[in-house]
Amino acid sequence: KAGVTQTPRYLIKTRGQQVTLSCSPISGHRSVSWYQQTPGQGLQFLFEYFSETQRNKGNFPGRFSGRQFSNSRSEMNVSTLELGDSALYLCASSLRGMSTDTQYFGPGTRLTVL
Amino acid sequence: QKEVEQNSGPLSVPEGAIASLNCTYSDRGSQSFFWYRQYSGKSPELIMFIYSNGDKEDGRFTAQLNKASQYVSLLIRDSQPSDSATYLCAVGPKAAGNKLTFGGGTRVLVKP
Repeated sequence: KAGVTQTPRYLIKTRGQQVTLSCSPISGHRSVSWYQQTPGQGLQFLFEYFSETQRNKGNFPGRFSGRQFSNSRSEMNVSTLELGDSALYLCASSLRGMSTDTQYFGPGTRLTVL
Repeated sequence: QKEVEQNSGPLSVPEGAIASLNCTYSDRGSQSFFWYRQYSGKSPELIMFIYSNGDKEDGRFTAQLNKASQYVSLLIRDSQPSDSATYLCAVGPKAAGNKLTFGGGTRVLVKP
């Protein structure tokens, strides 16, 4: 089975711009979660989507949003980029979206905000 | 107090020795516990998961869970230089959903 894929792998933007990141989960997986990883804050949960509905949300401002499509693919959007948004954005998928499910991570999208 | 705490390390162990990593968590209702390994510049990859109190072994890895004391540990036996990485402890909630809370990670260095 193919793993979780994320596009693009690298992105450079300037402050004030917006960005959309894409994630394709493992075939058959219905839950997609997004995480932000920075050297200072570590890995932090952004949000989770299951059956096209946002089920959980972390403590991030409303500039961070996402959606999930009927084929379970997911996108996240960050508007009005700030320097502090520079991070590795990781997408993870799981089969049923239960807390005991294993989450498999994609390779990540490295976002640099200048 | 952080929700999931790990010693940041680095934990330096000689090749062939046992590496012992610890993790404590604050939410007593947590149900699932995961250990991920992350090499520099790469994404986390699952090593083990554990849900019940006690030990769980998988190859050179043993996870131990003690819910009463709210800690989970990972032992790496016969440590190899390829085990040098950051090990992330992640805790899953009691509620539905896949919201994992991660510790800051422990950096492990295995010296030949």
